[in-house]
Amino acid sequence: DIQMTQSPSSLSASVGDRVVITCRASQGISSFLNWYQKKEGKAPTLLIHSASTLQGGVPSRFRGSGSGTDFTLTIDSLQPEDFATYYCQQSYSNIWTFGHGTKVDI
Amino acid sequence: QITMKESGATLIKPTETLTLTCTFSGFSLSSSGMGVGWIRQPPGRALEWLALIYWDDDNRYRPSLRSRLSLTKDTSKSQVVLRLTKMDPADTGTYYCAHAVSGYEFFDYWGQGAPVTVSS
Repeated sequence: DIQMTQSPSSLSASVGDRVVITCRASQGISSFLNWYQKKEGKAPTLLIHSASTLQGGVPSRFRGSGSGTDFTLTIDSLQPEDFATYYCQQSYSNIWTFGHGTKVDI
Repeated sequence: QITMKESGATLIKPTETLTLTCTFSGFSLSSSGMGVGWIRQPPGRALEWLALIYWDDDNRYRPSLRSRLSLTKDTSKSQVVLRLTKMDPADTGTYYCAHAVSGYEFFDYWGQGAPVTVSS
């Protein structure tokens, strides 16, 4: 299986901060990398697919980049509603896998 | 508009079989490219990809659960059924179904989630 390693596992930030979350794949996955936001008690929502494509309706302060094994999710100017846990997920192999998540809190 | 909704038992005894149904609307699982996946989240832990079924009966399973897990689809009812045998307390968590499209390879629409507790 392809392992996805996210860092950091948690971070504290303030409204208006820029936040950067990284995700590393155990082998090359081209651009088959997606980012989800998960809030407590809610279903995950897709933020970015194919490493850098913003899903419709997602604010432009969310940016994704990377290819191969190293990827980043950047949140420019963190907003109160952005405090959540973020997951990367690869779909390069037939067996999809998620990272362990990065919790963003105050 | 695509909607997904999970239903099924919420309290299961150890060794029993979990059956969850995903009922969806806004697409047909007989249409080329369409797929439905299952993901779970144990309490306090990360999301876990479980399985995926495509319109052409291409089924994929989490390797560690392959011997216990099965997906079936009923296109006439717009449903996908997940069965997980030999349930264990470690299988406790919230189970989600989600829509996927072959070639795009991401989950874009999710159900609200079905909480499942395994306890005697």
